[in-house]
Amino acid sequence: GESVGLHLPTLSVQEGDNSIINCAYSNSASDYFIWYKQESGKGPQFIIDIRSNMDKRQGQRVTVLLNKTVKHLSLQIAATQPGDSAVYFCAENNYGQNFVFGPGTRLSVLP
Amino acid sequence: EAGVAQSPRYKIIEKRQSVAFWCNPISGHATLYWYQQILGQGPKLLIQFQNNGVVDDSQLPKDRFSAERLKGVDSTLKIQPAKLEDSAVYLCASSSRGSTGELFFGEGSRLTVL
Repeated sequence: GESVGLHLPTLSVQEGDNSIINCAYSNSASDYFIWYKQESGKGPQFIIDIRSNMDKRQGQRVTVLLNKTVKHLSLQIAATQPGDSAVYFCAENNYGQNFVFGPGTRLSVLP
Repeated sequence: EAGVAQSPRYKIIEKRQSVAFWCNPISGHATLYWYQQILGQGPKLLIQFQNNGVVDDSQLPKDRFSAERLKGVDSTLKIQPAKLEDSAVYLCASSSRGSTGELFFGEGSRLTVL
């Protein structure tokens, strides 16, 4: 079946720096992608999504980039703050089938 | 708007015992999901309901896991008998647009099987 993976299981960044979290997906037919943030002891929380007809989408301090040629998704967080410390998951969806989640990347923000 | 409610938050049981988890989705959300999240991994779908019907239960270990959503609103996930490898967080999520839109997750129910 389809699989979603992450290049880096952990990422440490200095407070105020920009963070980039990467995700590789294997199903070229996937058409919808979501980034979720999961803080310790909580459920995943929606951050931003993107559909396959776009290559970039911006939110508040976050940007998602989609490169369909190499099946790669990234989440950029500007001016990383301590509150951004969490595990980040990408999830892919293929035309209404169920979401497949990646294993996650832990982001640690250093003071 | 109230979020997805789950209970209990924590449960510790011995192997071979049974356990049940409850979920109340966001009001009006027709689609409800149960996910299993083992420590250090991403959520894995167990079952998806559309109203009170099962859409996908292909990854549900049916010899020990069961789930129901009788009135199309809240749902119960049961494990009987539990195994050590069932230790995980069980997440409930709901959506107003099925799998074509955002999933809203509850806080999860953490199960420890001893």
